[in-house]
Amino acid sequence: DSGVTQTPKHLITATGQRVTLRCSPRSGDLSVYWYQQSLDQGLQFLIQYYNGEERAKGNILERFSAQQFPDLHSELNLSSLELGDSALYFCASSPGGTYTDTQYFGPGTRLTVL
Amino acid sequence: SQQGEEDPQALSIQEGENATMNCSYKTSINNLQWYRQNSGRGLVHLILIRSNEREKHSGRLRVTLDTSKKSSSLLITASRAADTASYFCATAPIQGAQKLVFGQGTRLTINP
Repeated sequence: DSGVTQTPKHLITATGQRVTLRCSPRSGDLSVYWYQQSLDQGLQFLIQYYNGEERAKGNILERFSAQQFPDLHSELNLSSLELGDSALYFCASSPGGTYTDTQYFGPGTRLTVL
Repeated sequence: SQQGEEDPQALSIQEGENATMNCSYKTSINNLQWYRQNSGRGLVHLILIRSNEREKHSGRLRVTLDTSKKSSSLLITASRAADTASYFCATAPIQGAQKLVFGQGTRLTINP
């Protein structure tokens, strides 16, 4: 158990809908990273937050947004969902703000868009 | 394309044998990390090797890094059925995107 929690574990929704994925980092970690894992694209970095501020941005679509709250938990919002958004979504955390640090991954949220 | 590329894509060996996976990358790195992922679950960090290190050990794991060849290898000795998983290398590039870049992974199957 990494200490990173993610909810929900599974999510099934329809095209055009909006969902919110939640992540709680390990105690004391200030950075949260979001990743998307699909069979064809592999593990893709989406975005990093550090202590409430956006630190780095990856291949995140405009339909996706994220934020980190004062208690350091983070939410990833996915809107206008398409079939291709079906994937595993992971969050990871690390103590500092440096992307070179070891990252601790949560168990993931499996999103299925029908 | 991905910074790190693992080779082979899949590996199947008998329990007790050693497993070697390779990772190649393209740009200069700060460090290289290896992660394990059991089917459909979260990634677990195995080992981090910095660019000025050549070899690192952790239990049955041995990682080497050759920055001149831009490659790394992960050796798992005396494999066990529980080692069945996908293994990913992740590089932390010095320049460019400020993110860990993961390869496509090696799927390792240990046969009892």
